[in-house]
Amino acid sequence: QVQLQESGPGLVKPSETLSLTCAVSGYSISTGSYWGWIRQTPGKGLEYMGSSYHTGQTYYNPSLKSRVAISLDTSKNQFFLKLRSVTAADTAIYYCVRLSGGSYSWYFDVWGRGTPVSVSS
Amino acid sequence: QSALTQPAAVSGAPGQSITISCSGSSSDVGLYNFVSWYQQHPGKAPKLVIYDVTKRPSGVSTRFSGSKSGNTASLKISGLQAEDEADYYCCFYADSSTIFGGGTKLTVL
Repeated sequence: QVQLQESGPGLVKPSETLSLTCAVSGYSISTGSYWGWIRQTPGKGLEYMGSSYHTGQTYYNPSLKSRVAISLDTSKNQFFLKLRSVTAADTAIYYCVRLSGGSYSWYFDVWGRGTPVSVSS
Repeated sequence: QSALTQPAAVSGAPGQSITISCSGSSSDVGLYNFVSWYQQHPGKAPKLVIYDVTKRPSGVSTRFSGSKSGNTASLKISGLQAEDEADYYCCFYADSSTIFGGGTKLTVL
C-alpha cells in the first residue's frame, strides 16, 4: 500500500522560503509516476502547484512558476517542495500526491494527509 | 486556464440519486477525457473516485459513476448514503495547466 507523509515547518515568515518533504513508502519513486504538490485554501480551493518525474521532467503551475521548485531524492524515496518569497496568500494546507495514468491523462490517486502551513511574522 | 464551474451545493435523501456537474470549455473538458473527481470529508485529504471521465478506481463503490456531454462532465452518486456527505471536486489534467473546480458540498438529508 502506497503511503505519503508530508513534513516541514508549520510557520514560515513572509519573504522566506517554504520547504516541505514528502516521504513515500510502499512504492519506489524511481519506478515511475509523477510526484507532485497540491495546496488548499478556503478562498481558492484546491490548487495544483506542480509535479516531477524521476527523469527530471517537471511541470509547474504558471501562476507559481517563478517561485516554485519540486525535486526528487530517489535514494531516500522522498520528494520536496520549495516555494520562495512567501506571503500570507501562501497560507494553506499542502498535500503531496502521486500521479498515475499516462499518455497525457494523469490523475491524483494517492494523497498524503496534508500539512498546514501558515505564513506570518 | 479558467477554473471549472461546479454548483456550490447539492442535496438528496438517502437512497436517492444526485448528479454534480463540472463545466469547462471546448479547449479542456470538451476536448479531452482528462477529467477526474475527488471526494473530501471534513479534515481529510481528497480521495480519487473517478478518473478519465468514466473509470472507477479499485475499491470505489459502483454507486459512483461519471459521464461527459460536450463541455460538461458529471458525477452521479446512486443510492445515496450518509457516508457520501462530503465535498466533491472535479479536475482537468493538462500538465502545467491542470485546474480544479470550486467544489460542491453534498448534503444527505
